[in-house]
Amino acid sequence: SQKIEQNSEALNIQEGKTATLTCNYTNYSPAYLQWYRQDPGRGPVFLLLIRENEKEKRKERLKVTFDTTLKQSLFHITASQPADSATYLCALERTGGFKTIFGAGTRLFVKA
Amino acid sequence: GAGVSQSPSNKVTEKGKDVELRCDPISGHTALYWYRQSLGQGLEFLIYFQGNSAPDKSGLPSDRFSAERTGGSVSTLTIQRTQQEDSAVYLCASSSPGVGSTYGYTFGSGTRLTVV
Repeated sequence: SQKIEQNSEALNIQEGKTATLTCNYTNYSPAYLQWYRQDPGRGPVFLLLIRENEKEKRKERLKVTFDTTLKQSLFHITASQPADSATYLCALERTGGFKTIFGAGTRLFVKA
Repeated sequence: GAGVSQSPSNKVTEKGKDVELRCDPISGHTALYWYRQSLGQGLEFLIYFQGNSAPDKSGLPSDRFSAERTGGSVSTLTIQRTQQEDSAVYLCASSSPGVGSTYGYTFGSGTRLTVV
């Protein structure tokens, strides 16, 4: 069955360091991979999308890589800040109107 | 509206009662999703509407769950004879036409359902 795995353990890092979150998937051939941020009591907020033919995408302090051979995406936040503390979800989608499936998310804590 | 609106924001109901959850997507968004999120868990897909196509209901956990989307806009998720395991946050999301996920999905803040 289709499966998305994200680190279930929280990631604790010091302010200013780079946070790296991992998303692995099996039995799926996504056309797009998305990353979302979710704060407590709120719905997820879209951050970045990367296509299957793209290796890397950047947006301000965020960088996403996508390796379709390894079936893995890495999400980096450089120069992290306490305000970056949240849960980060990855999501996979195929073309043709198929449902998007989400990982369980990784909780990030950035200490001042 | 400016975003995806869901109502009510919180709902407490007695076991066995029916509930209706409402989602008002962004105007012009043809794709609409319902997801369920239990405490500390990821998003569980429930149902997907795309334009006038037949909805993808493959995620509905039982026949107590149903959803409709009227006029390609507002959607209602109905849970009949609620059970305690239905307690969760129900999230609605919509996306723009064409390649639905180019700009990601816009989520509402969810309805927190508690069945007592």
